[in-house]
Amino acid sequence: SQQGEEDPQALSIQEGENATMNCSYKTSINNLQWYRQNSGRGLVHLILIRSNEREKHSGRLRVTLDTSKKSSSLLITASRAADTASYFCATEEDDKIIFGKGTRLHILP
Amino acid sequence: SAVISQKPSRDICQRGTSLTIQCQVDSQVTMMFWYRQQPGQSLTLIATANQGSEATYESGFVIDKFPISRPNLTFSTLTVSNLSPEDSSIYLCSVDVGHTYEQYFGPGTRLTVT
Repeated sequence: SQQGEEDPQALSIQEGENATMNCSYKTSINNLQWYRQNSGRGLVHLILIRSNEREKHSGRLRVTLDTSKKSSSLLITASRAADTASYFCATEEDDKIIFGKGTRLHILP
Repeated sequence: SAVISQKPSRDICQRGTSLTIQCQVDSQVTMMFWYRQQPGQSLTLIATANQGSEATYESGFVIDKFPISRPNLTFSTLTVSNLSPEDSSIYLCSVDVGHTYEQYFGPGTRLTVT
């Protein structure tokens, strides 16, 4: 099953701008995670937000969680070329992590 | 945290053959996971491998096609058998350290079947 659905599927922005990606999910969760995948490589864990949290920050990353709407957003501020990657939200289900389809982010010079 | 290595990093295999992928973790972990990522797609969980027990396969994946070994707490192998071009994907292993649900991933194995 695929719990998370990211929106948009692809996003291109100018370097220095902010990038916002959204994730919607279907069932109740204990936490939600965001991962980054650079082209052809493994995933890197970015941030985890628990169901009782509404917002969390880590460096240039800001994650929000709205459990009433079953949605989360990832904001990357002051984007850099190195932020070009695919971003996935993930939720846990029966001791497994289920990944969304991902947003491909491209930072234009 | 955990550091995970995978071998091989990539391979090109002929139809009908098999490929065994190794996953090595630098610390002891209970659960290891194997994922498939088809080109341009998200990750799909193939199976969960616990040391000392049979792997648990997800719907659509069977042991005959994807046999898994988990001989100890730091190592696992995934074999993709009777290869067809549809098996061309990136295969990733991951671990969950300390039951935090944060997953650490290996760099992946890129398989191309000709």
